[in-house]
Amino acid sequence: AQTVTQSQPEMSVQEAETVTLSCTYDTSESDYYLFWYKQPPSRQMILVIRQEAYKQQNATENRFSVNFQKAAKSFSLKISDSQLGDAAMYFCAYRALYGGATNKLIFGTGTLLAVQP
Amino acid sequence: NAGVTQTPKFRVLKTGQSMTLLCAQDMNHEYMYWYRQDPGMGLRLIHYSVGEGTTAKGEVPDGYNVSRLKKQNFLLGLESAAPSQTSVYFCASSYSTGGNGYTFGSGTRLTVV
Repeated sequence: AQTVTQSQPEMSVQEAETVTLSCTYDTSESDYYLFWYKQPPSRQMILVIRQEAYKQQNATENRFSVNFQKAAKSFSLKISDSQLGDAAMYFCAYRALYGGATNKLIFGTGTLLAVQP
Repeated sequence: NAGVTQTPKFRVLKTGQSMTLLCAQDMNHEYMYWYRQDPGMGLRLIHYSVGEGTTAKGEVPDGYNVSRLKKQNFLLGLESAAPSQTSVYFCASSYSTGGNGYTFGSGTRLTVV
């Protein structure tokens, strides 16, 4: 069964600095998707960034980028120029490529990011 | 463009009471899901549906039932609420292929006393 592990329950970063959140996963599949979701205090789940496993190029979205290491099954999120609005719980998630009964998002336990002014 | 709508947003139940959480999506998604979120445990899948009239158990199904009589709606029922079911519940929907992730509702905070 696929699993997702986030080993950092809490992280802290100074405003304008860079922070990296770690995520590892386990799967026997070769094709899949990986996601980072942000959950601010409003509780809404917001998709931050997505990575297709068959793409070698790391995904980027403005100040957010990932370091995808397929062989190591590692998928870290880097937030550059951190802003107060980045403070949130961040979830790493895995999803199989194709549909069917096993096509579900599997979440890590989350990393709570605090941004210090 | 409403996306995924969950009702209610907050609810307090007494032990033994029953209730139904409602989820509606307007994106014509085939798949729908119910998750619960608890501190330190991330989101865990309760039940899911891959189409109208079909449901399946997820990781933590005990104490819950679901129904999907219409493609756009997915209902989560608690027949006899227990304090262990105090949690935040999220509904989500998606297309059958994996690339687009999920669209989430805004969550329901349920407290069972």
